[in-house]
Amino acid sequence: DVKVTQSSRYLVKRTGEKVFLECVQDMDHENMFWYRQDPGLGLRLIYFSYDVKMKEKGDIPEGYSVSREKKERFSLILESASTNQTSMYLCASNPSQGQDQPQHFGDGTRLSIL
Amino acid sequence: SQQGEEDPQALSIQEGENATMNCSYKTSINNLQWYRQNSGRGLVHLILIRSNEREKHSGRLRVTLDTSKKSSSLLITASRAADTASYFCATDANSNYQLIWGAGTKLIIKP
Repeated sequence: DVKVTQSSRYLVKRTGEKVFLECVQDMDHENMFWYRQDPGLGLRLIYFSYDVKMKEKGDIPEGYSVSREKKERFSLILESASTNQTSMYLCASNPSQGQDQPQHFGDGTRLSIL
Repeated sequence: SQQGEEDPQALSIQEGENATMNCSYKTSINNLQWYRQNSGRGLVHLILIRSNEREKHSGRLRVTLDTSKKSSSLLITASRAADTASYFCATDANSNYQLIWGAGTKLIIKP
């Protein structure tokens, strides 16, 4: 089974801090994604990566950056955390180009910015 | 951007009854997927239906797709307490990577 592991289930940080969310997948997937999930808004794509060192902006990239130095690891960085970034963050991966490959999700990180 | 819209937003039924959720979308698609999310967990892929398919089954799940109406439905038969979760539809977009997600239907199965 594919396993996508997010480093923290719950995280509390302060306004202005630089925050790192880590995601690791163990199935050699090319594509990795970061979403945020807010009540009533569904999943919104922040960034995705289709290869090592490659990244594309999603729908809401402002205030975030990403890093993919190794194929299995995709990091989301909040450069200067703000309270409106309090949310559930979900990482996902899938194996190839094309939208007929299901995305595999981690269990999420619930991030609170105080 | 949000393409899929699920209906209803919330659904509460008795165990053993059938549950039907609907998804509408706006632009043409190649395929549509359904996912389940248990409370506080990540999403789990349930089923994918391609634009040239009208119906697909997987266990107690039945998915239909009507491309003329730009809509899909997910039917869960003989519901169980373990089916309590949120259900999301997702459609492919113009890019080769991105999915567009609906806001989800929250399903509660009462014992």
